[in-house]
Amino acid sequence: DADVTQTPRNRITKTGKRIMLECSQTKGHDRMYWYRQDPGLGLRLIYYSFDVKDINKGEISDGYSVSRQAQAKFSLSLESAIPNQTALYFCATSDWGWGRKDTQYFGPGTRLTVL
Amino acid sequence: RKEVEQDPGPFNVPEGATVAFNCTYSNSASQSFFWYRQDCRKEPKLLMSVYSSGNEDGRFTAQLNRASQYISLLIRDSKLSDSATYLCVVSGSNYQLIWGAGTKLIIKP
Repeated sequence: DADVTQTPRNRITKTGKRIMLECSQTKGHDRMYWYRQDPGLGLRLIYYSFDVKDINKGEISDGYSVSRQAQAKFSLSLESAIPNQTALYFCATSDWGWGRKDTQYFGPGTRLTVL
Repeated sequence: RKEVEQDPGPFNVPEGATVAFNCTYSNSASQSFFWYRQDCRKEPKLLMSVYSSGNEDGRFTAQLNRASQYISLLIRDSKLSDSATYLCVVSGSNYQLIWGAGTKLIIKP
């Protein structure tokens, strides 16, 4: 079984709809992240959480919200989806916040299309 | 200027050849450096961390040049399975990682 899972894997939705992307991990890591990837751009951080009570905005948090329901679960919501949120979304975990051991482990990604 | 810059490629290289690519970063205070590999439409996976003195992992060698603010990745005896996009990652502020857009490598038989 995969250590980091994401659901759904693919989603097509319409402008204005509310969408939730879910991420679960069995690695026992405290730190979780949501990124988006667009063609020609590096991964960009949307939100990150260092534990259940610690949630922080990343570089591009506008239009997104998150919920850390438990150590193992971190959900990303688009309250009112717009076409420029069409992207590949990745959830990641890490067991060390700073320094060379901060290996990030990624889920398989969710491909979201907003029409 | 982007915080982390990479040549997007693609680098087309014959199997068995040696290939190298660089990545430049803008934040002189960055402390951690990594190379990740990403296969088409898949998730990134850590290839190797980059240490100040340089480090090697099999056919892969990573180097850090703090004075010129770049890191490099050298792949020797390239294999078809090395075909992928290589992502340069540098630590930024607030415990965040800054990701390059990647360099695409195609190994040809």
